[in-house]
Amino acid sequence: DAKTTQPNSMESNEEEPVHLPCNHSTISGTDYIHWYRQLPSQGPEYVIHGLTSNVNNRMASLAIAEDRKSSTLILHRATLRDAAVYYCILREYFGNEKLTFGTGTRLTIIP
Amino acid sequence: DADVTQTPRNRITKTGKRIMLECSQTKGHDRMYWYRQDPGLGLQLIYYSFDVKDINKGEISDGYSVSRQAQAKFSLSLESAIPNQTALYFCATSDWARQSSGNTIYFGEGSWLTVV
Repeated sequence: DAKTTQPNSMESNEEEPVHLPCNHSTISGTDYIHWYRQLPSQGPEYVIHGLTSNVNNRMASLAIAEDRKSSTLILHRATLRDAAVYYCILREYFGNEKLTFGTGTRLTIIP
Repeated sequence: DADVTQTPRNRITKTGKRIMLECSQTKGHDRMYWYRQDPGLGLQLIYYSFDVKDINKGEISDGYSVSRQAQAKFSLSLESAIPNQTALYFCATSDWARQSSGNTIYFGEGSWLTVV
């Protein structure tokens, strides 16, 4: 399975944008890039996903590099409720992937 | 009601005892997963199942077994629990048949297991 690399932790001030990076240099052409987040004492929840083009939804934006070897999750205006661990994972299109999660990035929001 | 339900939510058991964690889902998904999370760490895949007749080992399957009793039910067993299996366990589901849904993974709320 293709692997992802994320910083262990990041801090951001409340109401400022946050850019969470993810490297996936071994990504294949059929891998989707997914982001999940895990709030304290909860199971992970879906944030956003994409294949090649940048994506936006009500929670965040996903910027994907042209060579697809990296991506960035963008929280446009961080709130205290965005404090969580963010996971970047690769998912095969109709593949038999194991859905392996790394350690993610622990995001701390400073009031 | 939650789409992915885990029982029990909390359990303390003794070393050497058999314990079963159950998971049921109402989303009609074909794929189900069991993950383990140690405090402050990421998720590790224990077992996964693509359908009722397909069971696969994950990264850390030793000491665990699973049963896919039906499409909606996937249970995890610790045949002889040991203290280092104390962790938070998550069940998850996914459906690859519906591409328009974004193939989202849905997680349960977790089951805290303490082995003393």
